[in-house]
Amino acid sequence: AQSVSQHNHHVILSEAASLELGCNYSYGGTVNLFWYVQYPGQHLQLLLKYFSGDPLVKGIKGFEAEFIKSKFSFNLRKPSVQWSDTAEYFCAVKAPDRDDKIIFGKGTRLHILP
Amino acid sequence: DTGVSQNPRHKITKRGQNVTFRCDPISEHNRLYWYRQTLGQGPEFLTYFQNEAQLEKSRLLSDRFSAERPKGSFSTLEIQRTEQGDSAMYLCASSLGYQPQHFGDGTRLSIL
Repeated sequence: AQSVSQHNHHVILSEAASLELGCNYSYGGTVNLFWYVQYPGQHLQLLLKYFSGDPLVKGIKGFEAEFIKSKFSFNLRKPSVQWSDTAEYFCAVKAPDRDDKIIFGKGTRLHILP
Repeated sequence: DTGVSQNPRHKITKRGQNVTFRCDPISEHNRLYWYRQTLGQGPEFLTYFQNEAQLEKSRLLSDRFSAERPKGSFSTLEIQRTEQGDSAMYLCASSLGYQPQHFGDGTRLSIL
C-alpha cells in the first residue's frame, strides 16, 4: 500500500527566507502527487499537482515542486516566503492504477515570522 | 462553483448516540469522498462514491459507520453508537472523474 512521509512536522522561518518541505512516498507504480495547503480556519486547498510530463510543477502563490522518481520524492519549494504562507501543508499520493483514494502525509505546520 | 458544503460544522454528542453528517458536493462532480482527520494527522481515507455507487471502503470504516449517496448528489455519513475514539474532523471532498479533489470545511465531531 502507498504511504507518504513528510520530513518536518513544524517549520519556522522568517519572511523572505527560502522554503523546502520534504515529502517521500512509497509506491513503485504510477503515481499522482499533490500538495494541499490548509490556511488557519479554512478548508484544504490544492496547491499543485503532478500527473505526468514535466517533473517540475508550478502551483499557485509562487510554489513549485519537483518529482524525482528515483528518490520517490516530491519536495515543495518557494524561493521567498511571506507571512501569509503560514499554514499547514500536506503532501499526498494517489496510485491511479490501483484505486482512487488519496493517501496524505501527516502534514507540516509552517509558521512565518513577520 | 459554490464549493463543497458540509453540515453541521460542529457536532457534540454523548457517547453511545448516533450522529449523521451531510455533504453536498460541487454540482457537476460525480465522485464523492469521505475522510477523517485527527489532531496531528493528515486526512485518512474512509470511503468514496462514483455517482450513487460506493466503490471502496477503508478498514477504518467499522460496521458502526455507514455512508450513502442515494441519488448521486449529496451524501450522508452515519456513525452509530459513537465512541470516544470517533472524535475527529470528518472531511468530504468531490471531484469530476480523476481530476483533483475539492474539500469542504469539515464537520468536527466531539464525543462527551
